[in-house]
Amino acid sequence: GNSVTQMEGPVTLSEEAFLTINCTYTATGYPSLFWYVQYPGEGLQLLLKATKADDKGSNKGFEATYRKETTSFHLEKGSVQVSDSAVYFCALSLDNYGQNFVFGPGTRLSVLP
Amino acid sequence: DVKVTQSSRYLVKRTGEKVFLECVQDMDHENMFWYRQDPGLGLRLIYFSYDVKMKEKGDIPEGYSVSREKKERFSLILESASTNQTSMYLCASSLWGSYEQYFGPGTRLTVT
Repeated sequence: GNSVTQMEGPVTLSEEAFLTINCTYTATGYPSLFWYVQYPGEGLQLLLKATKADDKGSNKGFEATYRKETTSFHLEKGSVQVSDSAVYFCALSLDNYGQNFVFGPGTRLSVLP
Repeated sequence: DVKVTQSSRYLVKRTGEKVFLECVQDMDHENMFWYRQDPGLGLRLIYFSYDVKMKEKGDIPEGYSVSREKKERFSLILESASTNQTSMYLCASSLWGSYEQYFGPGTRLTVT
């Protein structure tokens, strides 16, 4: 079946540290890949996406590259801020209608000043 | 800005009660979704709807039903609440053909 695996959290970093959150997927086809972020007390928001192999999604200093050969979509940021503290979800979608997502379990990030 | 609102942020119900969770979106989106979010399990799809009066089962529909009488409103119904339905419930909407789902803030339901 289709699934998304993320590194277990929580991840705790100091401000300005480099962030990597690993995400790998299993899919019966060619999915589109996403990172969503959930800030405390809020719903999920789309952070970035990539729809085909070798695409790089980027937003707010975060980046992720769609690696078909390793079935991965790791999230990176060069210098995290306290305001980046949130839960990050990796997700995939296999259809063209935006109706069928598979989410990973989420990784909680805490950034300390 | 797209806004997805949910009727309650916190809800406490007793076992066996009928529970209604309401979701409203203001951007004329065709698709609407109900998920439950549990620690370590991420989001799991309960039901989705791609049009008024249309619904499709997701991964975990057992114990739930839905209603979509108007395009902007999607209701999740727990016919007889049980303690294993204690969870965070998230509603989302999206345009037909768009990958981006817009989420509400969630309803934390506790069934005692």
